[in-house]
Amino acid sequence: GAGVSQSPSNKVTEKGKDVELRCDPISGHTALYWYRQSLGQGLEFLIYFQGNSAPDKSGLPSDRFSAERTGGSVSTLTIQRTQQEDSAVYLCASSLHSGSVNEKLFFGSGTQLSVL
Amino acid sequence: AQSVTQLDSHVSVSEGTPVLLRCNYSSSYSPSLFWYVQHPNKGLQLLLKYTSAATLVKGINGFEAEFKKSETSFHLTKPSAHMSDAAEYFCAGGTSYGKLTFGQGTILTVHP
Repeated sequence: GAGVSQSPSNKVTEKGKDVELRCDPISGHTALYWYRQSLGQGLEFLIYFQGNSAPDKSGLPSDRFSAERTGGSVSTLTIQRTQQEDSAVYLCASSLHSGSVNEKLFFGSGTQLSVL
Repeated sequence: AQSVTQLDSHVSVSEGTPVLLRCNYSSSYSPSLFWYVQHPNKGLQLLLKYTSAATLVKGINGFEAEFKKSETSFHLTKPSAHMSDAAEYFCAGGTSYGKLTFGQGTILTVHP
């Protein structure tokens, strides 16, 4: 596609429910990242995929958070038993290769998650 | 551990006047530094990046930033602000792949 696509753009859920957030990276991009943007914490790294594997999951805040990537393309971030502090904008980014910090990241518009 | 500090949460300028957004970093070794811009309901867009090739980096839309190791700073400037520059700006640093540490952001307001 033309850019990184995220769906849904907005998600409202009740506390305790599970949610799935989807990211479609730019075609051919092997590296994929999830970030979270919240009022209290700013922009935080969550997880990095190289192909279908995740060599760095260090930013996932708890075991309620998980992510997978299939076919070296689409990624899904799952939050189980959502809590109000999970409310944030979840941003996905991709880059052509991996291994270099100097690669340009292309960000999606994000999913605004609101947990009531 | 690397950290990035943006010294101003809000900056307000008049159209046509210079813009200065301040960023300091701390790291035990030379980082790669970036400035991103985020317009409302849009994703982050890369403005420019420093990768040790030159200390003065030119980016898109007339923005530039100067890396000063002695001051551990990477301030973003633009000679003349335009209304379309109103947005939130993020300074970020990275040492490996795309794992970036972001500053808290600076909201730039441009008055006519």
